[in-house]
Amino acid sequence: DTAVSQTPKYLVTQMGNDKSIKCEQNLGHDTMYWYKQDSKKFLKIMFSYNNKELIINETVPNRFSPKSPDKAHLNLHINSLELGDSAVYFCASSRQLNTEAFFGQGTRLTVV
Amino acid sequence: KNQVEQSPQSLIILEGKNCTLQCNYTVSPFSNLRWYKQDTGRGPVSLTIMTFSENTKSNGRYTATLDADTKQSSLHITASQLSDSASYICVVSAGAGSYQLTFGKGTKLSVIP
Repeated sequence: DTAVSQTPKYLVTQMGNDKSIKCEQNLGHDTMYWYKQDSKKFLKIMFSYNNKELIINETVPNRFSPKSPDKAHLNLHINSLELGDSAVYFCASSRQLNTEAFFGQGTRLTVV
Repeated sequence: KNQVEQSPQSLIILEGKNCTLQCNYTVSPFSNLRWYKQDTGRGPVSLTIMTFSENTKSNGRYTATLDADTKQSSLHITASQLSDSASYICVVSAGAGSYQLTFGKGTKLSVIP
């Protein structure tokens, strides 16, 4: 069973479109995260939710909006996509904040 | 400003050899330090997490050390295998309720036969 699963794995879309990436974890964790990894492989945290509440919200354009319908899901919606949004987006979860994080396989987003 | 610096940026070693990766940080207040392994095209996988009071932690052939006084950590890989080829990322977590994570840029390790 996949612990942290993201869909889709690949996403190619045109500038200006709105898209969503879904994430689900079956580990029973309280905390979920979204990370962005750019072309230089540099990982950067975007958001963190703990028990469905937003805990960490780094400097991210407000075109990015996370939504957590329940503790097992944290989806990422992106409005008006730009070329610079092209990256690999990783979802992760951990039992609590500041504990070991388990990552999904990533979603490679390409904006053309 | 919180920073995590890793060295070397990349490293090539022969299969069976040992190697050590370095991580220096200036994160304050310190909560914990983590080492992750990221295979190409995959998500990072946690190797170790160390808190302030821990100065060494092992996970199989991986041994991480932490010197909280000098703010340095190392990841030692023993008897390297081809499957160790990956990027190794050092991540430092700030404490005091901030939960801020600061990532290093990683060391790309290539193990060749």
